[in-house]
Amino acid sequence: QVHLVESGGGLVKPGGSLRLSCAASGFSFSDYYMTWIRQAPGKGLEWISYISSSGSPIYYADSVKGRFTISRDNAKNSLYLQMNSLRADDTAVYYCARDMNGLDSWGQGTLVTVSS
Amino acid sequence: QSALTQPASVSGSPGQSITISCTGTSSDVGNYNLVSWYQQHPGKAPTLIIFEANKRPSGVSSRFSGSKSANTASLTISGLQAEDEADYYCCSYAGSRFGGGTKLTVL
Repeated sequence: QVHLVESGGGLVKPGGSLRLSCAASGFSFSDYYMTWIRQAPGKGLEWISYISSSGSPIYYADSVKGRFTISRDNAKNSLYLQMNSLRADDTAVYYCARDMNGLDSWGQGTLVTVSS
Repeated sequence: QSALTQPASVSGSPGQSITISCTGTSSDVGNYNLVSWYQQHPGKAPTLIIFEANKRPSGVSSRFSGSKSANTASLTISGLQAEDEADYYCCSYAGSRFGGGTKLTVL
């Protein structure tokens, strides 16, 4: 059974940094593209980054390009999102998802709040 | 990278059918069948209900169906049930964009 668990969210001041993690289990992690999606409070979904099974290619939405870095450790079955220069409009629930014929499995999400 | 266009809300009575549209451009929805649909209940993570425009993942009810014509994809839910009340999002892989979401109310 596919299981994805995000962690690392919390309260951070504007300009600060956070590193999110996504622990994967129940499937061959190294075979799949993985994606980060976020959802601001009361708003819709935003696809912010994906990474191929091998680590390249990588995609970033314009809203996070240059500030966020996606990475993965296939030996640890883990996906990461390093978030720097955080702004108030980065406040959202961040989800990781497996990319297989659509985003077929999602974690429960981790809340990031950017506020002074 | 603007969102794909969906109606903000739709409604229907139990047993009826509804259709949610998702409009993109010839660069994304129109040029690829890589459109997926997601259902999200309040406080929950989204779940995949349609991929590649018209395919259902295992375990998804046959009441959910997808189609595409030119730059517009559509999700149809037949035989509406109370449990279908949720937010629905389309997504185009070409451009990695979601629609703005549609709130379905079952009257």
